[in-house]
Amino acid sequence: GESVGLHLPTLSVQEGDNSIINCAYSNSASDYFIWYKQESGKGPQFIIDIRSNMDKRQGQRVTVLLNKTVKHLSLQIAATQPGDSAVYFCADSGGSNYKLTFGKGTLLTVNP
Amino acid sequence: DTGVSQDPRHKITKRGQNVTFRCDPISEHNRLYWYRQTLGQGPEFLTYFQNEAQLEKSRLLSDRFSAERPKGSFSTLEIQRTEQGDSAMYLCASSFNFYGYTFGSGTRLTVV
Repeated sequence: GESVGLHLPTLSVQEGDNSIINCAYSNSASDYFIWYKQESGKGPQFIIDIRSNMDKRQGQRVTVLLNKTVKHLSLQIAATQPGDSAVYFCADSGGSNYKLTFGKGTLLTVNP
Repeated sequence: DTGVSQDPRHKITKRGQNVTFRCDPISEHNRLYWYRQTLGQGPEFLTYFQNEAQLEKSRLLSDRFSAERPKGSFSTLEIQRTEQGDSAMYLCASSFNFYGYTFGSGTRLTVV
């Protein structure tokens, strides 16, 4: 992912709205993708993953969409809650079978 | 709790001192990873173990850094002669092969 220093992309939504967080990856060999949520002072928390043989996967209140043609990944959060406020990272395998390459984080703020 | 455990959570050390961090992975996981995260950035891969074998080291891992996983269970990361640029969050993760990639809460190192 591209470095953005301290200036993270931000998304501010109202409680109850749906949120969409986007991510671009660069390596066309990537075949495994994960979304993580990271709260301040904590490690990344696994949300949902998807393999390249799928274009959509759903979890509880979350959906990940994968568009391999344009190397784009999105995370949709339904009925966003204040507890969803955090930095969200996408990570991809980059053609590796052991390490993850993290993208830009997005700071999600949910207003009550 | 059967998650990834890291100790200590925080470490403040003087420049030039040595520090050691410990990681206890999820017990069923055969792989253990170390990442480093600086403020505003996503985690960056440092090294990983499959069972007790260290299979890959990033160029970020200078010769002052050494990691071990002597019995294929817990791992330690030692930094010798710490420098201010070593200040970061050090994250451990574990997985079974490449799946179920779970991070710990990290050790925040501050070098003064």
